[in-house]
Amino acid sequence: DIQMTQSPPVLSASVGDRVTLSCKASQNINKNLDWYQQKHGEAPKLLIYYTNNLQTGIPSRFSGSGSGTDYTLTISSLQPEDVATYYCYQYNSGWTFGGGTKLELK
Amino acid sequence: QVQLKESGPGLVQPSETLSLTCTVSGFSLTSYSVSWVRQPSGKGPEWMGRMWYDGDTAYNSALKSRLSISRDTSKNQVFLKMNSLQTDDTGTYYCTRDAFGSSGFDYWGQGVMVTVSS
Repeated sequence: DIQMTQSPPVLSASVGDRVTLSCKASQNINKNLDWYQQKHGEAPKLLIYYTNNLQTGIPSRFSGSGSGTDYTLTISSLQPEDVATYYCYQYNSGWTFGGGTKLELK
Repeated sequence: QVQLKESGPGLVQPSETLSLTCTVSGFSLTSYSVSWVRQPSGKGPEWMGRMWYDGDTAYNSALKSRLSISRDTSKNQVFLKMNSLQTDDTGTYYCTRDAFGSSGFDYWGQGVMVTVSS
């Protein structure tokens, strides 16, 4: 099974910062990766599909990139409402979520 | 509008079988796949299995021996049954609509909390 490793586990940043979250697959996943945001007490929300496609209604400060085994979610200017845990999810071979990155305000 | 709602018991005895229902509205089960995703408290989500739009199924290899997913298209319902429950099966269980076949969970139910305890 493909393993997804997210780093860092916890990230503290200030409002307005550019934030980068990483997700590394144990083998090539051919860009078959989504990103989800989960706020406390809520179901996850789809942010990015197929590596770099912004889901409808998601602010343009969110973007995704990557290829092969290494993928990134970037928030260009952190807002208070972005405090959440972020998960990557691969569907190239089987279907696996990463362990998450918890994003906090500094 | 698109909605999914999970229903089922909140408490299950160890070694017993969990039965959950996902009732959907606003889309057809013959046009979109539906997945079950669970999440232990404080941990990341785990994809459990899928009812494909064509009626086929797919399962997480770690759960395959215990898990069964079925549907009733006339009632717009997808069912999950998992046997031999243990305490580490405790968590929130979600059903999701798969926007792009096997990815892009664009709509989620509210989730149902399942506790495995005697």
